[in-house]
Amino acid sequence: KQEVTQIPAALSVPEGENLVLNCSFTDSAIYNLQWFRQDPGKGLTSLLLIQSSQREQTSGRLNASLDKSSGRSTLYIAASQPGDSATYLCAVRFRDDKIIFGKGTRLHILP
Amino acid sequence: KAGVTQTPRYLIKTRGQQVTLSCSPISGHRSVSWYQQTPGQGLQFLFEYFSETQRNKGNFPGRFSGRQFSNSRSEMNVSTLELGDSALYLCASSSPASPGTEAFFGQGTRLTVV
Repeated sequence: KQEVTQIPAALSVPEGENLVLNCSFTDSAIYNLQWFRQDPGKGLTSLLLIQSSQREQTSGRLNASLDKSSGRSTLYIAASQPGDSATYLCAVRFRDDKIIFGKGTRLHILP
Repeated sequence: KAGVTQTPRYLIKTRGQQVTLSCSPISGHRSVSWYQQTPGQGLQFLFEYFSETQRNKGNFPGRFSGRQFSNSRSEMNVSTLELGDSALYLCASSSPASPGTEAFFGQGTRLTVV
């Protein structure tokens, strides 16, 4: 069964710290993996998309890596800010075209 | 350019009624996907449409259906509403030159079934 798991479910860190969010998936036959952030009551904002052939993508203070063989992706946030507080979701599109989301990590940056 | 637009933003319906939600994708995008988000189950994939054809379907009962029009706008219909259908319904659009290009989400429709 295809599953996407995000650990931890919640995380609180002081402002300025670097942090890593984790996403794991059970089937390495994927098209891509996408990281999103969601603010309370709002839609999803795309952060980074990594194709199966790529190892990492960077955007500003964000860096996402992909290790398909081990079924893992990490989202690294450098120099965290209070505005980074949100829920972060990863979504995997598998080769059978199924799209599965993790349950997310609720991130709280302490001022 | 304009983002993904979902209407209405909020909806309250009674058990047994039916509801239609609308999604207008980003101009030029031909793929629209629908998701249900609840606190217990998280985000679950409902279905995906491309060029007016359902390309992919999640594990939801037949009460959930959708369609896509020639202008790529999509509607989702839920019949015989149940209390458990209360959720945030999100749609995403993408421009798939190949499967799985970047998806852009709307703000969602918050459906409450009473």
